[in-house]
Amino acid sequence: NAGVMQNPRHLVRRRGQEARLRCSPVKGHSHVYWYRQLPEEGLKFMVYLQKENIIDESGMPKERFSAEFPKEGPSILRIQQVVRGDSAAYFCASSPPFRDTQYFGPGTRLTVL
Amino acid sequence: QQQVKQSPQSLIVQKGGISIINCAYENTAFDYFPWYQQFPGKGPALLIAIRPDVSEKKEGRFTISFNKSAKQFSLHIMDSQPGDSATYFCAANVPEYGGATNKLIFGTGTLLAVQP
Repeated sequence: NAGVMQNPRHLVRRRGQEARLRCSPVKGHSHVYWYRQLPEEGLKFMVYLQKENIIDESGMPKERFSAEFPKEGPSILRIQQVVRGDSAAYFCASSPPFRDTQYFGPGTRLTVL
Repeated sequence: QQQVKQSPQSLIVQKGGISIINCAYENTAFDYFPWYQQFPGKGPALLIAIRPDVSEKKEGRFTISFNKSAKQFSLHIMDSQPGDSATYFCAANVPEYGGATNKLIFGTGTLLAVQP
């Protein structure tokens, strides 16, 4: 029974490039959440998605960041024109409908050179 | 309003001792309070969770104490072991969209070191 899967685990990008982070939720989970963790800090909510819908993107920066969770395939967090301040660990979590628990993936560590 | 304050920032406990981590919140709409354990380079793993209509929940060596009137909750780790050394995060759920879990607001974390 696979948990939340994220890839890549480590991603290095130069300033101005695009970063694509993928998240496959636990099988049967239709809710996906993305969080960002800066060094020595807690996790900050970014976006909450259900299949084909963005429910809450209040934690997403207004520019350069976007997220999707298509009907088929993984959820994608896309960061365009990355800057050094985007360097962080990005975690995806999933939950089944109408249940409390969010299960977290291992994260993608993004380094912007 | 949408903050969870966690203390201490770091904690050193001797093997066999009790580790206590505290969290406080302001928003009385929060309806679910999980604790997560995170090892270096790993994702957070759910440890134990509580709802505000319960004052205490115990699972093995881990206990959550919840004080609704004071808007505080704490994690107690009994008989602490070196393998418990990790970062612990409290969190609170914001119920905004009708689903059970909508978004978690995390505390800033407590780095626990259990000395042998």
